[in-house]
Order: sequence, then structure tokens, then C-alpha cells
Amino acid sequence: GENVEQHPSTLSVQEGDSAVIKCTYSDSASNYFPWYKQELGKRPQLIIDIRSNVGEKKDQRIAVTLNKTAKHFSLHITETQPEDSAVYFCAASETSYDKVIFGPGTSLSVIP
Amino acid sequence: ETGVTQSPTHLIKTRGQQVTLRCSSQSGHNTVSWYQQALGQGPQFIFQYYREEENGRGNFPPRFSGLQFPNYSSELNVNALELDDSALYLCASSPTDRGGTGELFFGEGSRLTVL
Repeated sequence: GENVEQHPSTLSVQEGDSAVIKCTYSDSASNYFPWYKQELGKRPQLIIDIRSNVGEKKDQRIAVTLNKTAKHFSLHITETQPEDSAVYFCAASETSYDKVIFGPGTSLSVIP
Repeated sequence: ETGVTQSPTHLIKTRGQQVTLRCSSQSGHNTVSWYQQALGQGPQFIFQYYREEENGRGNFPPRFSGLQFPNYSSELNVNALELDDSALYLCASSPTDRGGTGELFFGEGSRLTVL
């Protein structure tokens, strides 16, 4: 079955700096890669996703890149703000309606 | 539009007991997925229900079972509880009628403590 790994497990950045979280997946059949943000005590919420026919996608300060050959995908957050502090999960799925397998998470702290 | 709701929010059980957790999916969503999230870990996929049928299962033993009703609400049942079953159980619904975006809409979760 699919296995998703994520690095680093914790990340601390100064406000205004960039943050990068990297993930790898094992199942070459995976084609859908969402990213979820979970604030302390809250439910996970989708922040951005990317499909395998696209190499990069951007939404304001966040961007995702995908290297399907290497089975790598990454989340980039620019101009970080204290409200970006949360746990971020990458995930993979064969299609957008199949089971979604999550990585172990990255705890991001943005220091004012 | 009502979001995903789960009940109960917190419960305490002892080893060997059985528990039923409930989830009401968001209006218009026909797929429900259940996840177990241990403290400091990512959500682990338990199983998914699509139109009342199990549509995929993770690496969980048979004592984890589920059900989806005609109104697309769902139950997660866990028999013979073990200490390691202590976790936050998340339900997520999605409108996966082969045209959905793939976004999972999570409930607030049910926090289970097994003593």
C-alpha cells in the first residue's frame, strides 16, 4: 500500500522567511496530492492540492511542486506569518475519490 | 449548509469494552472516511464508505468495523478495546461522485481514551 514520508518533523522560522516541507510517496499509481493544515485543537483543512498532470501550483503565498519521476512533492510558504503556525500534513491518493494516505506531519512555528 | 458533525466528542472506556462513534456527513456528500489520529501523529486511514459499501480499508484489524446509512451518515465500531486504541477518531466526508474535487471535509473528531 501507499506510504507517505514527510520532512522535517518540526520547523521553526522567523516571521517573513520562507518555509519548505518535503514529502515522498511510494505508490507510483498515486496521482492526487493534497496538503492539509491542522491548527492546535482544530480539524485538518485543505490548503492546496496538486494533480500529477501539473508540476507546480501556486495560491498566493503557498505553492506546491511535484516530481512524479522521483515521487517527491513539496510545500513552499513564502512571507510566513504567525498565523501560519500549525501542523501541516502532506497526503497522496490514486484519484481524488480514493482513500487518502497522510504523512506524519510537520509542526511549523513562525516566530514573530 | 451543515458541516461534518461527530459524536460523542469525548469518551472514556476500559480495556475489552466496545465503542460506537457516529458521524453525520456534510449535506450532499456520499462518501465517508474514518481516520485514527494518535497524539502527534498523522491521520491513519481506517476505511472509507461510498454509497453504503466499504470502498477501501487500511491496516486495521477486523475488530474495527463500520457502517454507512442511506442518508450517508456513518458509524465506526471498535470491539475489544485496547490501550493503543486511545486516539482522536476523525470522520471526513467528500462529494465523490466521480467529479468531486477530492477535498476531505473533517469533523471535530471523537477523543477516545481507553483505560
